[in-house]
Amino acid sequence: AQTVTQSQPEMSVQEAETVTLSCTYDTSESDYYLFWYKQPPSRQMILVIRQEAYKQQNATENRFSVNFQKAAKSFSLKISDSQLGDAAMYFCAYRSESFNFNKFYFGSGTKLNVKP
Amino acid sequence: EAQVTQNPRYLITVTGKKLTVTCSQNMNHEYMSWYRQDPGLGLRQIYYSMNVEVTDKGDVPEGYKVSRKEKRNFPLILESPSPNQTSLYFCASSPYLAGDRYEQFFGPGTRLTVL
Repeated sequence: AQTVTQSQPEMSVQEAETVTLSCTYDTSESDYYLFWYKQPPSRQMILVIRQEAYKQQNATENRFSVNFQKAAKSFSLKISDSQLGDAAMYFCAYRSESFNFNKFYFGSGTKLNVKP
Repeated sequence: EAQVTQNPRYLITVTGKKLTVTCSQNMNHEYMSWYRQDPGLGLRQIYYSMNVEVTDKGDVPEGYKVSRKEKRNFPLILESPSPNQTSLYFCASSPYLAGDRYEQFFGPGTRLTVL
């Protein structure tokens, strides 16, 4: 089974600053999708950004962008101009594009604190 | 409003007492899935369903059952709950995954405590 690792259980950032959350994954496949989900205190899971492995260009969504390093199997999330509303748990997730594409694998999460 | 609903949102029960957590989506999605979330472990997939009457195991299916008799509903059944099933449970749905890259839409979660 694929594994997704988030090595930072908790991080803090000052409001308006930039923070990067790390994610690495283990797979032997070449086609897959990667996701970052946000879980605020309300517990709702919200998709932040997704990246197709076949695309070399890094995905961006407003203040959120990723640094996708396929060879290194790394998928970090950068949050620019951090806002208080960004405080949440962030989960990295993997889905195969070939074998077992119906299965999702999540990391253990990173709790992001935003200081005013 | 397009949404995934789960009921109940909170449940406290005792060991061995059968329970069902319901999940319903109104987006006509083919794919539905159940996850459990535990501190330090993230979300782990329990079961998923590609369509009516088609289900398969995720990574942690032991102690759980599911059924998919209607497209919109995907209940999670714990026939004999045990304390190690105390967790936060999420249902999710999406259009059929193969051939396109849709995100999953998550329900609000069900906090289950088994005493």
